[in-house]
Amino acid sequence: KNQVEQSPQSLIILEGKNCTLQCNYTVSPFSNLRWYKQDTGRGPVSLTIMTFSENTKSNGRYTATLDADTKQSSLHITASQLSDSASYICVVNTGFQKLVFGTGTRLLVSP
Amino acid sequence: SQTIHQWPATLVQPVGSPLSLECTVEGTSNPNLYWYRQAAGRGLQLLFYSVGIGQISSEVPQNLSASRPQDRQFILSSKKLLLSDSGFYLCAGKQTGGPYEQYFGPGTRLTVT
Repeated sequence: KNQVEQSPQSLIILEGKNCTLQCNYTVSPFSNLRWYKQDTGRGPVSLTIMTFSENTKSNGRYTATLDADTKQSSLHITASQLSDSASYICVVNTGFQKLVFGTGTRLLVSP
Repeated sequence: SQTIHQWPATLVQPVGSPLSLECTVEGTSNPNLYWYRQAAGRGLQLLFYSVGIGQISSEVPQNLSASRPQDRQFILSSKKLLLSDSGFYLCAGKQTGGPYEQYFGPGTRLTVT
């Protein structure tokens, strides 16, 4: 069964600190993996995308990694800001019509 | 890039009442369109997707239906709402032909009372 598991479920960090969110997937076939940021009450917005051959991708203070052998990905946030408070969703694309979504990590950045 | 419009933003409906949520897409032709539901603290659940006008695939048996009367219009409906239909509904669109990004709309918060 295709699954995407994320950890931790929720996280509280102080403003300015770094954090890393984890994503493990058992999805086949694999086309690409995206990290989305979802602000409360809003639609998700894509942060990064990685294909099978890419193992790191940066978007400003966000850096995603992918290990296709172990089927793990991480999202590292550097120098966190209050606006980083959101849910972060790991999504795997099988290349067909459907995406497989993780349940997300809820991040709260505290002043 | 695509822009996905959804309305209304919030909706409170009594049990047994009908539902119609509308989604329109700008910036691409013949997109794949999707309706998702997100329950509190849960991941996104795919409800329906459409690859063209009049073509609807249902992912889970439920009290809802979808229609695509025009290329860039996707409608989610119900004849009689249940309490369990409460949730956050998201419409998404994707350019056809490859594993392109799905762009999401702002969502509709539905509360069935």
